[in-house]
Amino acid sequence: ETGVTQSPTHLIKTRGQQVTLRCSSQSGHNTVSWYQQALGQGPQFIFQYYREEENGRGNFPPRFSGLQFPNYSSELNVNALELDDSALYLCASSNPWDRVPEAFFGQGTRLTVV
Amino acid sequence: KQEVTQIPAALSVPEGENLVLNCSFTDSAIYNLQWFRQDPGKGLTSLLLIQSSQREQTSGRLNASLDKSSGRSTLYIAASQPGDSATYLCAVSPPGNMLTFGGGTRLMVKP
Repeated sequence: ETGVTQSPTHLIKTRGQQVTLRCSSQSGHNTVSWYQQALGQGPQFIFQYYREEENGRGNFPPRFSGLQFPNYSSELNVNALELDDSALYLCASSNPWDRVPEAFFGQGTRLTVV
Repeated sequence: KQEVTQIPAALSVPEGENLVLNCSFTDSAIYNLQWFRQDPGKGLTSLLLIQSSQREQTSGRLNASLDKSSGRSTLYIAASQPGDSATYLCAVSPPGNMLTFGGGTRLMVKP
């Protein structure tokens, strides 16, 4: 059983640029959620995808967008990067039909915007 | 809007102590509560999940309790070790696993 994997692990971008982060869900999981974690804070929910459709969204502007593919992997896209977008981006996968629907996290992508 | 608070924000204890981390939430209509461990700059490792119908879960030296009516959970760590040093996060969710996290407790266990 493979775990949740994210790529890349680290990334440096310039303000105003666009970035794409990738996540492969754990085998058997059809739901992927993305979180932003600023330094010293708890993660904040960005959005969730279930069967390729956005299934819920947190308080993030439209320049944060996502996709989920038929194999349940997912991308997070951020346009017009701002300095405050610098954070650890975490992906979690789960299956709501599991007897215990636990969320499993990847190792994260550290994004630095300069 | 669900809000999750963790107290204390930081804790330093000598090796061998038993300790309790606290988590409180404002909306008792939760489906799951999960405790996670996070090492510096790393992802989250799930420690324990308590479903809303349960009162506690145990794994090794860890025991987590849930009191939905009062909006509280505690994580008890027995016989702490230096390897337990990390940030501990609690998170609650409605059905669907859209987690709302607390700010975490940074634990340092000194040899």
